[in-house]
Amino acid sequence: GNSVTQMEGPVTLSEEAFLTINCTYTATGYPSLFWYVQYPGEGLQLLLKATKADDKGSNKGFEATYRKETTSFHLEKGSVQVSDSAVYFCALSDLGSQGNLIFGKGTKLSVKP
Amino acid sequence: DGGITQSPKYLFRKEGQNVTLSCEQNLNHDAMYWYRQDPGQGLRLIYYSQIVNDFQKGDIAEGYSVSREKKESFPLTVTSAQKNPTAFYLCASASGSGNTIYFGEGSWLTVV
Repeated sequence: GNSVTQMEGPVTLSEEAFLTINCTYTATGYPSLFWYVQYPGEGLQLLLKATKADDKGSNKGFEATYRKETTSFHLEKGSVQVSDSAVYFCALSDLGSQGNLIFGKGTKLSVKP
Repeated sequence: DGGITQSPKYLFRKEGQNVTLSCEQNLNHDAMYWYRQDPGQGLRLIYYSQIVNDFQKGDIAEGYSVSREKKESFPLTVTSAQKNPTAFYLCASASGSGNTIYFGEGSWLTVV
C-alpha cells in the first residue's frame, strides 16, 4: 500500500543553518505530495505542495521538489530561523481512497539562537 | 473569516462516557475528515465524508462514529468502546477529492 517515510528527529540546528528533512514515498499512480507544519499545540498548516513530477513547491523560504525517479520529496531551507521550530509532516494524497492524506510520522525541528 | 472551527479545544471525559467533538467549516468544502494524532506519531484517518449524508471509515474507525447532515458540519463522537481515546483530534476539509486538505486547530481529549 501507499506509505510515506521521513527522517526521524529531533533535528536541532543553529539559526541560519541549512535544513534538509528527507521524505520518500511508496505509491501507485501519481499522487500529489505535501509538506505540512505543526506549531506546538496547534493544527497542521499547509507549507507547500507539488502535484506532478519535477514540480517544485515553495513557501516562506522552504522548497521541495517532486522526484519521481527517486520517489522523494525532501524539504529544504537555506537559512532557518528560531521561528521555524515546529514539527514537519510529509504527506501524499491517496488516490485509491478519494484523496485522503497518508502522513509520515513527523520530524521535530528545534532551531537554537 | 473562512476556516475550520473545532470545539472544544480541551475536553476531559470519564471512562465509559461518550463525547462529541464539533467541527464546522465555512469554506463551502464538500469533503471533510477526522484524524487522530498521538504523541510522536503521524496522523491516522478515522472517518471521512465526500458529500452530505455519506461517510466512510478510515483506518481506525472502531470506537468512533460520525454524521454529515449538513455540508458545513462533521461532528465526531468518541464512544465508550474506544479503548484508548486520549489523543489530539484534527478535523479537516477539502473542496473535493484529491484537492488540498486544510486543517482546524484541533481538540485535545483526555480520559480521566
